[in-house]
Parts: sequence; C-alpha cells; structure tokens
Amino acid sequence: DQQVKQNSPSLSVQEGRISILNCDYTNSMFDYFLWYKKYPAEGPTFLISISSIKDKNEDGRFTVFLNKSAKHLSLHIVPSQPGDSAVYFCAASWGRNSGNTPLVFGKGTRLSVIA
Amino acid sequence: DAGITQSPRHKVTETGTPVTLRCHQTENHRYMYWYRQDPGHGLRLIHYSYGVKDTDKGEVSDGYSVSRSKTEDFLLTLESATSSQTSVYFCAISTRTGLGETQYFGPGTRLLVL
Repeated sequence: DQQVKQNSPSLSVQEGRISILNCDYTNSMFDYFLWYKKYPAEGPTFLISISSIKDKNEDGRFTVFLNKSAKHLSLHIVPSQPGDSAVYFCAASWGRNSGNTPLVFGKGTRLSVIA
Repeated sequence: DAGITQSPRHKVTETGTPVTLRCHQTENHRYMYWYRQDPGHGLRLIHYSYGVKDTDKGEVSDGYSVSRSKTEDFLLTLESATSSQTSVYFCAISTRTGLGETQYFGPGTRLLVL
C-alpha cells in the first residue's frame, strides 16, 4: 500500500503561471517532507523540505505547504519557467524518530511548462 | 553535489550474467541507498546500508545483493541479470539533522539486459 501518493502523473502549465504539485500521505507518523526534481538522464536533486512543526516553507519561486489534518502537501512554483519542466517527487520520513528507516517516495509528477 | 559517483554510467549485458554497480562517496556519510527508477513506478528502494557491513532490504530486493566493506563504497550486484532488471539505477547518501533525513543522489547507471 502506497504511503505517499502523487495522484497526478502529469501536469502542463503555461510559462509565467503558477504550478501546483500535490502529494498525499497516509502515515500520520511522518513528520518531515521533501520535494525532489529530476531531469532526464540525471539523478534527482533535492529542492525543498518542510518539517511538521511548520505549515509553509518558501525558497525563492518554490513554496511548500503542509496541511497535517488533511495529510496533504503541495509544491507551488511561481512563476513557472520552461526550465522547471521535470519530474517532481514527493518524499516523507519519520524525522527525528526515523532510526534507520529510509525515506518513502511518491511515484512522481511530470511537469511541463509551455512557453 | 554530494560527492557521489557511480560506475559504470552505462552498461549492456546479457541475461544470466552477473553485474556489479559501484557507488562511491567522498564525504564519509553513514547511510547509503540503491534505487531503481522505472516508468510508472517512480523510485523504488532496492537495498540500503546504515554502516560498514550493515545493510537491509528495500521493497524490490529480490535478485539483488549488496556489500559495503568500507564507508565510501556501496556495491550493488545482480546475481544473474534478467531483462526485468533493465532500468536506471541511482545511488544516494543521506544527511540527518534534528528535523529529519535528506537524501542526495548520484548521476545514475543505465543498465540494459538483453
């Protein structure tokens, strides 16, 4: 059973508009969440993270929102640029209590930003 | 760049042959991971290591083994390669803070099993 779900396999957005990528999780013990970006023929790169003690974290054009009651997080990209076209993975962990347990990844959402 | 290299970067092999992929890191990280990425499946964890000689299975470990005899190297072996193991393989290390774990990935190895 998937503990981290990205229900939209793909998303197309016009350049300059907002991109919103969504992620749902089922395990209420998760308390640290991350977004990764992946270009073809490259490894995933860490983009932004958020701890469960916050509901928003911002880094330039990228903002992650966390709604703990809904077990939902989203990544907002404003404004979207053609270089943002990539696959985005959401990931979750048990934070401080993770021990040796690795991150849990969603299956990814392919974002296409159209010029 | 987390100082991770993977070798080889590309490999073509035949069904039934053993294959070993190498992950090398230069920053003395304790945790290392092997993933495979396939269309429709995202990143799936094969094996991971939490120290020298300490390893554990991930969700898709069948047909794979790992070894970690020194901190900097984590080897993934396909004991007898099958066509279903054609994939892109990523190694990762992780850093852990008081908030949680962040993983950093290598550039990947593209493996084709004929």
